[in-house]
Amino acid sequence: SQKIEQNSEALNIQEGKTATLTCNYTNYSPAYLQWYRQDPGRGPVFLLLIRENEKEKRKERLKVTFDTTLKQSLFHITASQPADSATYLCALDLGGGFKTIFGAGTRLFVKA
Amino acid sequence: ETGVTQTPRHLVMGMTNKKSLKCEQHLGHNAMYWYKQSAKKPLELMFVYNFKEQTENNSVPSRFSPECPNSSHLFLHLHTLQPEDSALYLCASSQGGAGVDEKLFFGSGTQLSVL
Repeated sequence: SQKIEQNSEALNIQEGKTATLTCNYTNYSPAYLQWYRQDPGRGPVFLLLIRENEKEKRKERLKVTFDTTLKQSLFHITASQPADSATYLCALDLGGGFKTIFGAGTRLFVKA
Repeated sequence: ETGVTQTPRHLVMGMTNKKSLKCEQHLGHNAMYWYKQSAKKPLELMFVYNFKEQTENNSVPSRFSPECPNSSHLFLHLHTLQPEDSALYLCASSQGGAGVDEKLFFGSGTQLSVL
């Protein structure tokens, strides 16, 4: 069955540094991959989508890479701020539309 | 706000109660979803509707019954739930149609506790 792995341990970094989160997947070749941010007690918020034929996507301080050979996506936040502290979720489309599955997420803490 | 509104935000119910969760989206989307999020676990896809037709039922127990009267409204009817059903229930919507690039817009969820 399809499996998505995100680092279950929290990531603690200092303000101003670059945070890098990892998403690995197995047993599937998704057409695209998404990253979401979730704050406690709230629903996830869409951040970025990257397609299988794109190597990299950027939006402001965010950058996502997608390596379909390694079956891995990296999510970077540059010049991190305490307000970036949240859980970040990786999501894959299983094809056929409307079947998006999520990883368990990685909790990021940015210290001032 | 995301344009997706869920009510109630919190719900406590006994195992013999019947209750309903409501979701409304103001984004003009055609697809709507129910996800379950338990502590420390990934979001679990429960049901998907596209243009009011159910396209996905992810082996969800019959004590959960979805209803989609139109593309803007989605309900989840609950009856005879178990304590392990306690979780955050999230509604989401997406553009729908051909199912390409389905970015999801989530509501804030209903935190359900079953006693």
